[in-house]
Amino acid sequence: DAKTTQPPSMDCAEGRAANLPCNHSTISGNEYVYWYRQIHSQGPQYIIHGLKNNETNEMASLIITEDRKSSTLILPHATLRDTAVYYCIVRVAGDSNYQLIWGAGTKLIIKP
Amino acid sequence: DAGVIQSPRHEVTEMGQEVTLRCKPISGHDYLFWYRQTMMRGLELLIYFNNNVPIDDSGMPEDRFSAKMPNASFSTLKIQPSEPRDSAVYFCASRQYRDRDREAFFGQGTRLTVV
Repeated sequence: DAKTTQPPSMDCAEGRAANLPCNHSTISGNEYVYWYRQIHSQGPQYIIHGLKNNETNEMASLIITEDRKSSTLILPHATLRDTAVYYCIVRVAGDSNYQLIWGAGTKLIIKP
Repeated sequence: DAGVIQSPRHEVTEMGQEVTLRCKPISGHDYLFWYRQTMMRGLELLIYFNNNVPIDDSGMPEDRFSAKMPNASFSTLKIQPSEPRDSAVYFCASRQYRDRDREAFFGQGTRLTVV
């Protein structure tokens, strides 16, 4: 079973910030939180990852709570092209074992 | 680089036929992964290679499935004989060891339909 829980779907208005939550209450100290997204008919695309500090890159920001039991992915100015399924995954840093457990993700729909 | 290239994009075949899916990883990447995605089971890792050597094939569903990587720029996933329950989207992904704390780059996938 997936080690994360996410809402099945969310809507967001174009141009607004999209905030996608993820619960990972059983996360271990050496596990990172990763976010991926999958646009319809394409392969998954890496977005961002973090351990305990907040992270930001050109695509998104990742906010991890102090107890690390939950996190939020923020797309600051959502566009229609951000409509996709977003996956939150936890895995051990540097672990070459790629037996990742992918949950159902959150289907994010950006509305004009 | 053109990214991970998979072929064909779509494959329709009859039950019992042999199916071969192909993947060209990104040049210089030393890990290659095969995934399967279905509505029921989501995204599942089937097998992965490091430097052309299979490392973990525990996700391969049964003996009908086999994967090879004869060189650093090519891999195949073969299903023989195919069954309707093999219908899914199959993804290939690759990455470099030095980026092991990032995830892999995925191809566009092959949508397989077995009738």
